[in-house]
Amino acid sequence: DGGITQSPKYLFRKEGQNVTLSCEQNLNHDAMYWYRQDPGQGLRLIYYSQIVNDFQKGDIAEGYSVSREKKESFPLTVTSAQKNPTAFYLCASSQGHGTAEQYFGPGTRLTVT
Amino acid sequence: SQQGEEDPQALSIQEGENATMNCSYKTSINNLQWYRQNSGRGLVHLILIRSNEREKHSGRLRVTLDTSKKSSSLLITASRAADTASYFCATDPSGSARQLTFGSGTQLTVLP
Repeated sequence: DGGITQSPKYLFRKEGQNVTLSCEQNLNHDAMYWYRQDPGQGLRLIYYSQIVNDFQKGDIAEGYSVSREKKESFPLTVTSAQKNPTAFYLCASSQGHGTAEQYFGPGTRLTVT
Repeated sequence: SQQGEEDPQALSIQEGENATMNCSYKTSINNLQWYRQNSGRGLVHLILIRSNEREKHSGRLRVTLDTSKKSSSLLITASRAADTASYFCATDPSGSARQLTFGSGTQLTVLP
């Protein structure tokens, strides 16, 4: 059963702590993406990776970090430097990039208090 | 910055009616995609229309693209309560790093 998974679905953290969100895909896709969604808003691109061991900043990368050591995995770390981390985080993947249809995971809702 | 902007922000209709959502964008594009998001879930791809296409159909969905006006519309015919969701357009700007840019979405409510 191919797909893209994110864990956990809900995550609670205290302010000042780093937290890592998991994203795994078994679709054999080259490209992976992290988006942030705030209530009633569209998606904003945080980071993307077009190939293993390579990634680029998106529109709102400050306070976030990623790694792409394996094709299947693209974890996102929300650092204490991110001023307003509470949001819904969505991971996606695509075969190729840009023009390609993106497949999304179910999302992780992060709440920082 | 948001490349695509959907209109209206919210739409409420009765089951069986048609729903039309519009998307406007600012720069030239390679293609435009429409996605659906149920509350608290990930997005699901609905349809992709290329810049050289004017209309595309998929089941009860009809998408049009007018590159001269930099706009697209998504029509859902014979709506059902299960169509209740947010709908987003996403553009692939030509000449860019080729990443999708999403609009802020239209929240569609279909009343039974």
